[in-house]
Amino acid sequence: ETGVTQTPRHLVMGMTNKKSLKCEQHLGHNAMYWYKQSAKKPLELMFVYSLEERVENNSVPSRFSPECPNSSHLFLHLHTLQPEDSALYLCASSQDTVEAYGYTFGSGTRLTVV
Amino acid sequence: AQSVTQLGSHVSVSEGALVLLRCNYSSSVPPYLFWYVQYPNQGLQLLLKYTTGATLVKGINGFEAEFKKSETSFHLTKPSAHMSDAAEYFCAVTDSWGKLQFGAGTQVVVTP
Repeated sequence: ETGVTQTPRHLVMGMTNKKSLKCEQHLGHNAMYWYKQSAKKPLELMFVYSLEERVENNSVPSRFSPECPNSSHLFLHLHTLQPEDSALYLCASSQDTVEAYGYTFGSGTRLTVV
Repeated sequence: AQSVTQLGSHVSVSEGALVLLRCNYSSSVPPYLFWYVQYPNQGLQLLLKYTTGATLVKGINGFEAEFKKSETSFHLTKPSAHMSDAAEYFCAVTDSWGKLQFGAGTQVVVTP
């Protein structure tokens, strides 16, 4: 148990489906992040939330829609995805966005788009 | 902008041999440096970090790393590899806003 819990662990979805990834932390952290990890590519930062407010969106396609209803929960809503969106999606949290102490990561959701 | 370079995408070591993973960074400000490990089908776990103070930092599982400002390096070492060290290792540096910039990762294979 890392302190950051992601569900589901695995997800297979068709290109016309709508699904959501969930991330939960009870570490008292104020910042949360979504990363995409594709095979043979560096980790890509997708979204950053600080105190429930989105502070960064790294040119992510609109078919990915984040939601942060409170400082403990982060969602990534998915719709009309493409096969190239298949990847491991990692959630992380930190005390704040100016963070000298590193992030705590969840175990990830392995997404396959068919 | 910050950047991180990890030399070698794959490293193979014999059980009991030295593990050396290389990381070089570029930064316009004093950096905070990190090493993370990722086991198969898992998220990233913090191995160790350098923020300030002693330049040789010790982490979990017998790993350590040394910050060398003159060489802009933060190489990770372990004196004796164990089979359980097989994983992917990521070096990371913070940018001026504190967000982590990751290297491309080094896959470590440990052979008997």
